[in-house]
Amino acid sequence: DAGVIQSPRHEVTEMGQEVTLRCKPISGHDYLFWYRQTMMRGLELLIYFNNNVPIDDSGMPEDRFSAKMPNASFSTLKIQPSEPRDSAVYFCASSSQGLAESYEQYFGPGTRLTVT
Amino acid sequence: AQSVTQPDIHITVSEGASLELRCNYSYGATPYLFWYVQSPGQGLQLLLKYFSGDTLVQGIKGFEAEFKRSQSSFNLRKPSVHWSDAAEYFCAVAHSWGKLQFGAGTQVVVTP
Repeated sequence: DAGVIQSPRHEVTEMGQEVTLRCKPISGHDYLFWYRQTMMRGLELLIYFNNNVPIDDSGMPEDRFSAKMPNASFSTLKIQPSEPRDSAVYFCASSSQGLAESYEQYFGPGTRLTVT
Repeated sequence: AQSVTQPDIHITVSEGASLELRCNYSYGATPYLFWYVQSPGQGLQLLLKYFSGDTLVQGIKGFEAEFKRSQSSFNLRKPSVHWSDAAEYFCAVAHSWGKLQFGAGTQVVVTP
């Protein structure tokens, strides 16, 4: 398996622009997580999905952030409009609710977002 | 409320020396505990996990961790570090199914 795939790996954009981050989870995994990592706040869970349905979005910082999972193999995290304080590394992770694998999350390589 | 504390922000260790990273948790029930490693520019990789049973858990890359309920700790150890072990290490506890709460991380620097 190729693991969790994220694109782009790096994104530089200007303040006010829309940014879309993409994630392809591991095939067969039914949970998908979006995290944000910054020096100041560490690793924060933004939202997670189970079977394509958002379960907990309490970590989404504000209405400028939205996430979708239209099918089991694709998810997006959108920021509109972007602001410099959104600069961070965004990780996608997936997991499977199997007996031996419960709770174990597999992380993608991350997208480094810079908003100027 | 559940919490995960990694008291050491930064540790420097000589290559070949032993390493121990501390993790303390606060959790009402039997915790599910994890250690992840993040190499520069990479995502997080699972080193090991504890669910139940033997309190000494073996992981990948020669790491092990010991769960001590009385001390609410899950410390990570390696007998002899290699330069490639330089990375950031995160302890995590599972809140409920699917949600992991991560500690702030410990940066490990390996000197020749």
